[in-house]
Amino acid sequence: AQSVTQPDIHITVSEGASLELRCNYSYGATPYLFWYVQSPGQGLQLLLKYFSGDTLVQGIKGFEAEFKRSQSSFNLRKPSVHWSDAAEYFCAVVTSGSGNTPLVFGKGTRLSVIA
Amino acid sequence: DVKVTQSSRYLVKRTGEKVFLECVQDMDHENMFWYRQDPGLGLRLIYFSYDVKMKEKGDIPEGYSVSREKKERFSLILESASTNQTSMYLCASSFWQGPEAFFGQGTRLTVV
Repeated sequence: AQSVTQPDIHITVSEGASLELRCNYSYGATPYLFWYVQSPGQGLQLLLKYFSGDTLVQGIKGFEAEFKRSQSSFNLRKPSVHWSDAAEYFCAVVTSGSGNTPLVFGKGTRLSVIA
Repeated sequence: DVKVTQSSRYLVKRTGEKVFLECVQDMDHENMFWYRQDPGLGLRLIYFSYDVKMKEKGDIPEGYSVSREKKERFSLILESASTNQTSMYLCASSFWQGPEAFFGQGTRLTVV
């Protein structure tokens, strides 16, 4: 069965510091990979996605993620965190070409930003 | 922009009540989904639908049912609400070939 692991439940970083959120997936086929962000009390907003091609993908709000097939990872990065980045982040995966199969989500990583 | 609208942001219901959560999307998406979100458990799929009047069980369908009479609308029904159904409920939609899902703003349901 497909699964997504986000090893860090909660991360605290200082404003201006760099950020890396980890995501590992368990999958037999070529995956489509996503990162979503959820601000408090809100729905999920797509940050970025990887389907194929260049393994380093750029997203909104200055985020990027790198797909590493050998490590089954899709880690999210940002060079300099802003206080407004405090939110919960979800990694999600689905088999490529699977049409209407729902996304499988990790349990999320909550990011706190301190001054 | 895709818009997925959930009818209520906050709901408070009594134990045993029948509860309807409504979701409407305006992008002619074929697929619609209901997820439940709880702290430490992430998003868990309750039901999804890939066409009008079609439905598929997700990971945690017990205590829930769904209805999709029109393509743009997907309803989640709690037949007899219980306190353990207190949660955040998220609706999402996508095209038939997926894979990207678009989410509503969520409904925080409290059952007392």
